[in-house]
Amino acid sequence: DVKVTQSSRYLVKRTGEKVFLECVQDMDHENMFWYRQDPGLGLRLIYFSYDVKMKEKGDIPEGYSVSREKKERFSLILESASTNQTSMYLCASSRRLSGVQETQYFGPGTRLLVL
Amino acid sequence: QKEVEQNSGPLSVPEGAIASLNCTYSDRGSQSFFWYRQYSGKSPELIMFIYSNGDKEDGRFTAQLNKASQYVSLLIRDSQPSDSATYLCAVNGLGLNTGFQKLVFGTGTRLLVSP
Repeated sequence: DVKVTQSSRYLVKRTGEKVFLECVQDMDHENMFWYRQDPGLGLRLIYFSYDVKMKEKGDIPEGYSVSREKKERFSLILESASTNQTSMYLCASSRRLSGVQETQYFGPGTRLLVL
Repeated sequence: QKEVEQNSGPLSVPEGAIASLNCTYSDRGSQSFFWYRQYSGKSPELIMFIYSNGDKEDGRFTAQLNKASQYVSLLIRDSQPSDSATYLCAVNGLGLNTGFQKLVFGTGTRLLVSP
């Protein structure tokens, strides 16, 4: 069964803190993704990775970085948290693309509040 | 013009009726189309995907794709109150810089099924 887990369901941080969000998948998927979801804006892609140590910017990478040292783990880092980064963060994974887009499977999400 | 457009709703239907959810997309080169269901406070879960023009049925759900009109829809037969959720349409598209395919999500249609 497909499983994507995220390190925290809820987080409260202060402005300026460094924040780490972790995502682990057990499906041996090559691709992993980080999104944020805000009311009225839908899901927006922050970063994705198609292989270990590889990363690509998504639509809204500013203020974020990522790390993928192992195939199963993809971390999202907020270098200096700001209030406008308060959001729901969703991790997803999929198999490597092969002409058609493979299904993305989502983790449960982390609701981050930055005070 | 948004890449993937959905009516935000809410779409209200009585229990037992057919719910029809619609999605239009702008990229004519898109090849893969997905419907996700998202309950309030939860992460998106895949309902079905469709790659070819025509209809694809899975239980009470039917996805319909018309590439010429750049239109994809989801029909839910015998709607149940438990179907009340937000339904996200997702379409594959090219990444910003790399040509890497990514999913572009609509902002979702909220469906309310009344008993």
